[in-house]
Formats: sequence, structure tokens, C-alpha cells
Amino acid sequence: GAVVSQHPSWVICKSGTSVKIECRSLDFQATTMFWYRQFPKQSLMLMATSNEGSKATYEQGVEKDKFLINHASLTLSTLTVTSAHPEDSSFYICSASSPTSNEQFFGPGTRLTVL
Amino acid sequence: GENVEQHPSTLSVQEGDSAVIKCTYSDSASNYFPWYKQELGKRPQLIIDIRSNVGEKKDQRIAVTLNKTAKHFSLHITETQPEDSAVYFCAGGDYGQNFVFGPGTRLSVLP
Repeated sequence: GAVVSQHPSWVICKSGTSVKIECRSLDFQATTMFWYRQFPKQSLMLMATSNEGSKATYEQGVEKDKFLINHASLTLSTLTVTSAHPEDSSFYICSASSPTSNEQFFGPGTRLTVL
Repeated sequence: GENVEQHPSTLSVQEGDSAVIKCTYSDSASNYFPWYKQELGKRPQLIIDIRSNVGEKKDQRIAVTLNKTAKHFSLHITETQPEDSAVYFCAGGDYGQNFVFGPGTRLSVLP
């Protein structure tokens, strides 16, 4: 299947700093990427849908000014958590939709810990 | 919007027995229902999916059934093995678009 990578896999930062997470589709071009957040022992909650070259569509309750999403190319989307606080600590997972099969392929996730 | 419920939240079975996880969805327009397996700290992996024009799909020990009228779908795992232990998520939505995940079922297969 298609491969999606994320970087970094784990990041620890101080409260008030910003953290950028990268999501890359390695062997296909993804016109659409999705960003999810998963708290411990909970389900994946969709944060936003990212389309290449256009603004992201955010789910209700997700602050677009806090979670900045950029989908500058067909293989890269970034999520920046601005002014991170301890309650932002979570597992952030991206997925990319394959144009040939419409299946969503998930990245390995990024564990964010805000001190 | 779509709302997906999933039961049970935890399930323990003896190795070799079958496991069944059930999900319901609210949006009759949803046409795609994937199932994901997620091991601790790892990414979700698609194990099987079904589209709304099909009532049942099987892949070796795994099968999914869909009842569009009742808006529910189920995952069936036969001859369970310890490596089947994980959290399973159902989801519902539009094929090729985003979908909504259920809350998950933690399956434990006891040796």
C-alpha cells in the first residue's frame, strides 16, 4: 500500500512554544490530507481536511488560528500547533487519500507532550 | 453530520473463538464503512472495508456485514489469535472523503 510518513514521531516542548508536524505521502500524490487528534484511550477525532493549494477545512470546535495547516504541495502537509499548552498534548495523526483507490493511508503519528 | 457508535467498548475472547463488533451510523447518505486496527502507539491499519452497494464482504478470517436499512454494520473475526488483540475502530462516511470514527473496541484474545 501507499506510504505516509510523519515527522517528528515524538516531540516535547515548553508551554507557549509552537510545534510543526510534517506529513508526507512518499509514493503518491495526495490532493487531500486529513489531520486527526487522538487522546489516550480515545478515538481519532478529525481536526481538519487539507486540500493542496487551498485553505484547510476545519471541524467544528477546532481553532484554525491555533492549529495552522499548510498543504503547499501534493506530497506535503504541515500542522503547526501555535502557543502550545499542556492540554494540547496528544497523538496527532495525518492521513492521505490515494487518488487511485480513495483509501486513506495513515501516517505513524506524532506524540506531542507540552510541559 | 455523521455520528458513529460502536459496541462493545471492550471485548475478551478465548483464542480460537469468534469476536463480533457492532457499529451504527446516523447519516443515511454515508456510503463507505472501513474498519481499522490500531495497536498501542501505532498508526491505524485498514483491515477491511465495505461500500453501501454490498451487504457482506469477507477476507480470510475477517468479514463485515452491512444493513443499510437499519444503518448498522458489524465486524466478525473468526478463529481469533493473540495477535488479533488491538483496538478496532469502525468508521462511516463518503468514499474518498473524510469519515467519522467510532469510539473503538479494545479486543483481548486470551491464550
